[in-house]
Amino acid sequence: EPEVTQTPSHQVTQMGQEVILRCVPISNHLYFYWYRQILGQKVEFLVSFYNNEISEKSEIFDDQFSVERPDGSNFTLKIRSTKLEDSAMYFCASTLTASTDTQYFGPGTRLTVL
Amino acid sequence: KQEVTQIPAALSVPEGENLVLNCSFTDSAIYNLQWFRQDPGKGLTSLLLIQSSQREQTSGRLNASLDKSSGRSTLYIAASQPGDSATYLCAVRPNSNYQLIWGAGTKLIIKP
Repeated sequence: EPEVTQTPSHQVTQMGQEVILRCVPISNHLYFYWYRQILGQKVEFLVSFYNNEISEKSEIFDDQFSVERPDGSNFTLKIRSTKLEDSAMYFCASTLTASTDTQYFGPGTRLTVL
Repeated sequence: KQEVTQIPAALSVPEGENLVLNCSFTDSAIYNLQWFRQDPGKGLTSLLLIQSSQREQTSGRLNASLDKSSGRSTLYIAASQPGDSATYLCAVRPNSNYQLIWGAGTKLIIKP
């Protein structure tokens, strides 16, 4: 069964460094998402992406963050100048359509900022 | 602003019992509602998706219902097993957005 994959599974970085989290969505899906979950808190939406542009973003997704689909398979989340409070589990998801489909999630990347 | 609430926050029951998890949302203008399972330190596994026009969905021992007008959904788990122990999350997709808005989850423990 097709699945969303994410790398790395765990990333440790120093405060102020840049990190890139990588995702490979399900191959025929057209809509891509990033969510994060800070330990003990709710899952929060960051951004959705369709047709090579951002379709929606939350208040969390400020200039520190960017997304890119550099090729036909990868979808990346870049976090510039990381802060301690960026430590969280970051989940990538994808769907075939925007409105009616199940969002399929990857296993997540645990980001630890020291 | 859409808010999603799940009650109870935690539930511990003996193996074999049938149980109900609750999810409520404040704005009935939704495309769909999804139930997910999350194991400790792991990803989010989709269990069931209910479209706004549907009343329920079933998958194996799981049955999810949706009452959009009252802003409620329930997840019914029949004949619970220790392997069902996990955190169960519900999330709604508002009409006007692409995102999912999440509840805090119900942590379920099934005792052998």
